[in-house]
Amino acid sequence: QLQLQESGPGLVKPSETLSLTCTVSGGSISSSSYYWGWIRQPPGKGLEWIGSIYYSGSTYYNPSLKSRVTISVDTSKNQFSLKLSSVTAADTAVYYCANSISWGQGTLVTVSS
Amino acid sequence: DVVMTQSPLSLPVTLGQPASISCRSSQSLVYSDGNTYLNWFQQRPGQSPRRLIYKVSNWDSGVPDRFSGSGSGTDFTLKISRVEAEDVGVYYCMQGTHWPITFGQGTRLEIK
Repeated sequence: QLQLQESGPGLVKPSETLSLTCTVSGGSISSSSYYWGWIRQPPGKGLEWIGSIYYSGSTYYNPSLKSRVTISVDTSKNQFSLKLSSVTAADTAVYYCANSISWGQGTLVTVSS
Repeated sequence: DVVMTQSPLSLPVTLGQPASISCRSSQSLVYSDGNTYLNWFQQRPGQSPRRLIYKVSNWDSGVPDRFSGSGSGTDFTLKISRVEAEDVGVYYCMQGTHWPITFGQGTRLEIK
C-alpha cells in the first residue's frame, strides 16, 4: 500500500522559503495512475490545495499562491517537494502531501522569527 | 474558483442514528470526460484526512458500507446509515473537476 511521509523544518522565519519533501514508499512516483499534491490546513481551519504535479511533469498551482510556489519531483529518490517563498505568519499550517488516494500524516510548519 | 458549500457545519447525532451532509458547488462538477470528480474525506481528531468516497459514489478500500455518496451536477450528499463512535470527526467534500481543487468548509460530526 502506498505511503507518504512529509519531512522538513518545523520553523521558518518570515520572508524565508519553506521547503518540504514527501517520500513515497510502496509504489513508484513515476506511476501514471496518480497525481502528487500538497495541501495545507491552518490550525483549527479548513483545507487549501496548494498545487499538484502529474506523472507527465505538468504542474498546477493554486492561483492564490502561484507566484510563490514550486513543486518538483525527484524520481531517483521517489520523492516530490514543495517550496513556498516569502512566507509570512499566514503560511503557518499543517502541510500534507497526497496523491489521488492517500495522504501523509502532515507536518506542522510555523512561521515565526 | 469553484465554491463548495457544506451544510450543516455542525452535526450532533445519536449513536445508531443516520446522518446526512450536503455539499453544493457553485458550478457543475461534470468534467469533459463525463466523470464527476466529487470526493468525500473524513478527518478524525488528530489525524490526516482520509478519502471515503470518490467520483460521487464509489467507496475507497476499507470504507464501511454504512457510508454512501450520491448526487449529480452541483448537489451532492454523504450519508451515514447508522452512526458509530468512530465516525466522530470533520467531513469535507472536495471537487477535482475544476482547477484549483477546492474543499467545502467541513462538517463537524459529534455524538449527542
